[in-house]
Amino acid sequence: KNQVEQSPQSLIILEGKNCTLQCNYTVSPFSNLRWYKQDTGRGPVSLTIMTFSENTKSNGRYTATLDADTKQSSLHITASQLSDSASYICVVRGVESGGSYIPTFGRGTSLIVHP
Amino acid sequence: SQTIHQWPATLVQPVGSPLSLECTVEGTSNPNLYWYRQAAGRGLQLLFYSVGIGQISSEVPQNLSASRPQDRQFILSSKKLLLSDSGFYLCAWTDSSNQPQHFGDGTRLSIL
Repeated sequence: KNQVEQSPQSLIILEGKNCTLQCNYTVSPFSNLRWYKQDTGRGPVSLTIMTFSENTKSNGRYTATLDADTKQSSLHITASQLSDSASYICVVRGVESGGSYIPTFGRGTSLIVHP
Repeated sequence: SQTIHQWPATLVQPVGSPLSLECTVEGTSNPNLYWYRQAAGRGLQLLFYSVGIGQISSEVPQNLSASRPQDRQFILSSKKLLLSDSGFYLCAWTDSSNQPQHFGDGTRLSIL
């Protein structure tokens, strides 16, 4: 069964500090992995996408890493800001057939940035 | 540019009442469409997805149903709501496995 596990479940940091969120998955065969940011009461928004051959990808202060061998990904946030407070969701897509695209979602890490 | 609209933003319904949530996408053709439910503190649960008009696949047994009467319209319905139907309902679309899912802003459904 395809699964995506995220840790920690929640995290509190001070503004300006860095943090790293973890994602482990069992989806196989693997197609791509995305990190989404979900602000409270809003829909998730894609931050990064990584395919099998990519190890690192950055989007501003967000840097995602992928180790396809160990099936692990991380999202590193540098110099956190109050606006980074949100839920961060790891989403993994397998190689589907029949034209349907059904990703597997993690439960998310709730990040709170305090001033 | 593509946009996705969901309404209403919030809804309070009594147990046993019917439900209709609508989602429309603009600026794209033949998108894959999805309905998710997100319970408090939980991940997104896929309820239905559609690869074309009239084509609906259900992921979990429940008293909800979905329909796609037009290419860019996806409707979530129920004849009789249960307390357990409370949650945050999100509609999403994508047109490729290499493209992200684009989510609407969701409907917060409370059942009394």
